[in-house]
Amino acid sequence: DAKTTQPTSMDCAEGRAANLPCNHSTISGNEYVYWYRQIHSQGPQYIIHGLKNNETNEMASLIITEDRKSSTLILPHATLRDTAVYYCIVRVAISSGSARQLTFGSGTQLTVLP
Amino acid sequence: DAGVIQSPRHEVTEMGQEVTLRCKPISGHDYLFWYRQTMMRGLELLIYFNNNVPIDDSGMPEDRFSAKMPNASFSTLKIQPSEPRDSAVYFCASSFSHGAGTGELFFGEGSRLTVL
Repeated sequence: DAKTTQPTSMDCAEGRAANLPCNHSTISGNEYVYWYRQIHSQGPQYIIHGLKNNETNEMASLIITEDRKSSTLILPHATLRDTAVYYCIVRVAISSGSARQLTFGSGTQLTVLP
Repeated sequence: DAGVIQSPRHEVTEMGQEVTLRCKPISGHDYLFWYRQTMMRGLELLIYFNNNVPIDDSGMPEDRFSAKMPNASFSTLKIQPSEPRDSAVYFCASSFSHGAGTGELFFGEGSRLTVL
């Protein structure tokens, strides 16, 4: 699976949009971008994933650049409960039948400030 | 849906003792994963199962660690003998491989192990 690079930490004001970047310049054509987050003392939680089109769900939006070498996770209206470590992970498609484990990097510590 | 259930939530033991961590995956999920998290090394995959069969145990640190999945609803991770450097939070996760789902991993709340 391709390696990802994320900033170590970011701050965001409550109620504002939080934009978390991720670089994955070595991503392959069949690799998806996944985002998970881990709130303190809890297990990681799935947020969203995408291949090349922008995606949106009830939690966040995922913007993937046209060359797919980077992406941005957007939390449109950050709350204090969004304070967590956010992990960007690249892995092969689910339908490929390959192993389903996820390899976590260091992630970005997002702190939402009141 | 109860989610992935792990026990115990906290375990404090002395060096040399045997430790057994337990996991009940989400019903119907066919993959089960054991991860370990420390400040120094982050989240590391230890082993994972598919349909109760171990697929990849290359992350298991040494022979003191063993994992079993006797049936689809139960797995154990055993450390014998335990050492202080095994102190960590151990997470169990499960996922479902079929259909058009996201294939996302669902994590339990973790078992915090402290070896004195």
